[in-house]
Amino acid sequence: AQKVTQAQTEISVVEKEDVTLDCVYETRDTTYYLFWYKQPPSGELVFLIRRNSFDEQNEISGRYSWNFQKSTSSFNFTITASQVVDSAVYFCALSFFSSGSARQLTFGSGTQLTVLP
Amino acid sequence: GAGVSQSPRYKVTKRGQDVALRCDPISGHVSLYWYRQALGQGPEFLTYFNYEAQQDKSGLPNDRFSAERPEGSISTLTIQRTEQRDSAMYRCASSLARLDSFSGNTIYFGEGSWLTVV
Repeated sequence: AQKVTQAQTEISVVEKEDVTLDCVYETRDTTYYLFWYKQPPSGELVFLIRRNSFDEQNEISGRYSWNFQKSTSSFNFTITASQVVDSAVYFCALSFFSSGSARQLTFGSGTQLTVLP
Repeated sequence: GAGVSQSPRYKVTKRGQDVALRCDPISGHVSLYWYRQALGQGPEFLTYFNYEAQQDKSGLPNDRFSAERPEGSISTLTIQRTEQRDSAMYRCASSLARLDSFSGNTIYFGEGSWLTVV
């Protein structure tokens, strides 16, 4: 069975602060993908990043960075110098790998991030 | 199309009525997924297709829920004899799922269809 835990239900920060969203996962699969999605107030689900289980290299994209640590089964997401537009619900998700492609996603319950001006 | 398109965006229906939700995936995407998301929760898997074949329907809550993708492109999720507990956002997603494309395993979501059963 797969499980994703986002222990932080809500986080509030003031603009320009850095913020880290935690994600811990459980899986018995040796090959899997991890994802982060953003759900702004408008409701769509926006893909941010995908990571496969063989690549533990951290990734940076502008103000966003991701720290994947297999030893602790964590895939944390950091926003540097947060902005009001970053306010959204962020979901971490896990997908196992079968027959050459990713399968259905298991989502965490999400973290509501509010960035105050 | 440029993205995953779902219709209707909002649907209010009376308890007991049947509802059909439509999904038009990104052009060329092999895999199509349906998820349900309750308020304050993450999306939960319902079913998925590769081309027209329904590969997994383990997430469908009961036999009132069904899905089809007859020509391997557009999909319809049908809920029969709707109940108030069916009220949620229904999300469709698609992925390229090509074995030779690493990026093909990214799953892209539509804007969702909000269903309210009164």
